[in-house]
Amino acid sequence: AQKVTQAQTEISVVEKEDVTLDCVYETRDTTYYLFWYKQPPSGELVFLIRRNSFDEQNEISGRYSWNFQKSTSSFNFTITASQVVDSAVYFCALSEPLQSTLTFGKGTMLLVSP
Amino acid sequence: KAGVTQTPRYLIKTRGQQVTLSCSPISGHRSVSWYQQTPGQGLQFLFEYFSETQRNKGNFPGRFSGRQFSNSRSEMNVSTLELGDSALYLCASSRGDRAGTGELFFGEGSRLTVL
Repeated sequence: AQKVTQAQTEISVVEKEDVTLDCVYETRDTTYYLFWYKQPPSGELVFLIRRNSFDEQNEISGRYSWNFQKSTSSFNFTITASQVVDSAVYFCALSEPLQSTLTFGKGTMLLVSP
Repeated sequence: KAGVTQTPRYLIKTRGQQVTLSCSPISGHRSVSWYQQTPGQGLQFLFEYFSETQRNKGNFPGRFSGRQFSNSRSEMNVSTLELGDSALYLCASSRGDRAGTGELFFGEGSRLTVL
């Protein structure tokens, strides 16, 4: 069975600090996909990134970066120079190929204060 | 282009009643998935429809049902409401090439409160 663990329930930082959100996953499959979604107060989940299990290259998109390590089954998300607009709940998710479902972690609430 | 639209956004029901939630996917998307979000259980998969057929179902009782119409719009129904059904119900659409491999586009959800 698949499982995603986000051990950090809530993180509070001051603007301009760097912050890393942890994600650890479990799956028996060798092929799978990992995702990060952002949920602002409006409620909708906003897609941030998808990674397949064969691509361990780290990715950077502006202030966002992701570190995928199969050896530790982790897919961590770092926000550099955080801003108040980054305040949201962030979800890590996992899916198997040919499956149409996502298994989500419980989410990490990030609060960025001015 | 227009995003995923869910109606109603908020609703209040009493125990024993039933409720129907609606989801209009992004134009051209053929797959619609539903998720329940609660503070205790987090985000849990309910079901997924593709071309009017239920392709996958989560671990929920039979009181939870859904359907998809020929225009890809989807509805979900919860009968005999219980207090524990209070949640944010999120709909997501995708092109349909197995939603799990691609990006899901989510609506803002329907927040159901059961009294």
